[in-house]
Amino acid sequence: DTEVTQTPKHLVMGMTNKKSLKCEQHMGHRAMYWYKQKAKKPPELMFVYSYEKLSINESVPSRFSPECPNSSLLNLHLHALQPEDSALYLCASSQDKALAGTQFFGPGTRLTVL
Amino acid sequence: QQPVQSPQAVILREGEDAVINCSSSKALYSVHWYRQKHGEAPVFLMILLKGGEQMRHEKISASFNEKKQQSSLYLTASQLSYSGTYFCGTDADDFGNEKLTFGTGTRLTIIP
Repeated sequence: DTEVTQTPKHLVMGMTNKKSLKCEQHMGHRAMYWYKQKAKKPPELMFVYSYEKLSINESVPSRFSPECPNSSLLNLHLHALQPEDSALYLCASSQDKALAGTQFFGPGTRLTVL
Repeated sequence: QQPVQSPQAVILREGEDAVINCSSSKALYSVHWYRQKHGEAPVFLMILLKGGEQMRHEKISASFNEKKQQSSLYLTASQLSYSGTYFCGTDADDFGNEKLTFGTGTRLTIIP
């Protein structure tokens, strides 16, 4: 299985809502990543988890809260988002954080904040 | 710092060749190339390592000039399926770097 899955595909939420994005991989990868991508821009790294521990937080606002319950699963909890947070949220994994350049990406969740 | 790619966009007829360049201001240990089709996730194409050989994926090849801190992607006899946005990704030269920094991107459109 060489796939990273993400749910939901699309999400529309209000600024007072709480929602979660889910990412799953069964490749035995030990590093997982969250990216944010705006239209016509490259993906921007948000968080890196290595062996289920948060390794990098790229100064992301606290309204985004990542969680890694086990080695296959990565969540991104959303609370009190702003309209400018609307974007495509991509999850990725790599065999190890030292092999961060070779990542497998999920299809993404397109988030709209009203 | 984000690598800079050129050109920003290019339109080709099917069968034509293209070159996409990626430049970094930092010393590089490796360069990674990804392609992202519209509405889809980025897909890894190839990795080039310092001191390594030129790599190839189907009719796409790439080179890495360590001295100039540049990489180039060569698309030969382009096919419609090559359309998409190409990103280079770079690791800095400090060993054990954990993250991939994507370049500014090059949008490639292949027309019949």
